[in-house]
Amino acid sequence: EAGVAQSPRYKIIEKRQSVAFWCNPISGHATLYWYQQILGQGPKLLIQFQNNGVVDDSQLPKDRFSAERLKGVDSTLKIQPAKLEDSAVYLCASSLEWGGSETQYFGPGTRLLVL
Amino acid sequence: AQSVTQLDSHVSVSEGTPVLLRCNYSSSYSPSLFWYVQHPNKGLQLLLKYTSAATLVKGINGFEAEFKKSETSFHLTKPSAHMSDAAEYFCVVSDLSGGGADGLTFGKGTHLIIQP
Repeated sequence: EAGVAQSPRYKIIEKRQSVAFWCNPISGHATLYWYQQILGQGPKLLIQFQNNGVVDDSQLPKDRFSAERLKGVDSTLKIQPAKLEDSAVYLCASSLEWGGSETQYFGPGTRLLVL
Repeated sequence: AQSVTQLDSHVSVSEGTPVLLRCNYSSSYSPSLFWYVQHPNKGLQLLLKYTSAATLVKGINGFEAEFKKSETSFHLTKPSAHMSDAAEYFCVVSDLSGGGADGLTFGKGTHLIIQP
């Protein structure tokens, strides 16, 4: 089966610019996650969707970050305006259902560099 | 609240010798525990997971981990290291409370180096 798809793979922008990332989860997976992985650290959850509803966005910097999953399938994550500290790899993951024991499958990530 | 501590930021072993990557966790509820591997410029791949069944969990590529509740540990082992095992390894916890989000909490990672 096809894995989690993400685009673009790399993005370089200047601070205060905006950027958007796209994720297409594994077909049939109801739950979708966005993680931020700063260099040298483990990924940190930003937001979790169940179908097209938000389950948790407590760690999403809502003054600049937004995410949507309008039709309950693919998702976009936007940063506006970007800051230097947003330089990171943004990972999308999906799982079949919602539950702590469900395996999450990760995409290859989008590497963002903010200059 | 849940948390994970990976006790070593770097581990170096010779090819053909055993691998031990140490992980301790903290969780308010019955946890699910995972080990993920991340090769350079590649996505995270699940090695194995524990979900309250057998305490000794076997994963892919010869890796296994043992859940020890009394020690709150979930160490990853492999009897014989291969050059292709060189990568970043993450210990991950997710609690089964079901009351909210189940996003994974990652440790900071252990960089495994394989010496020829």
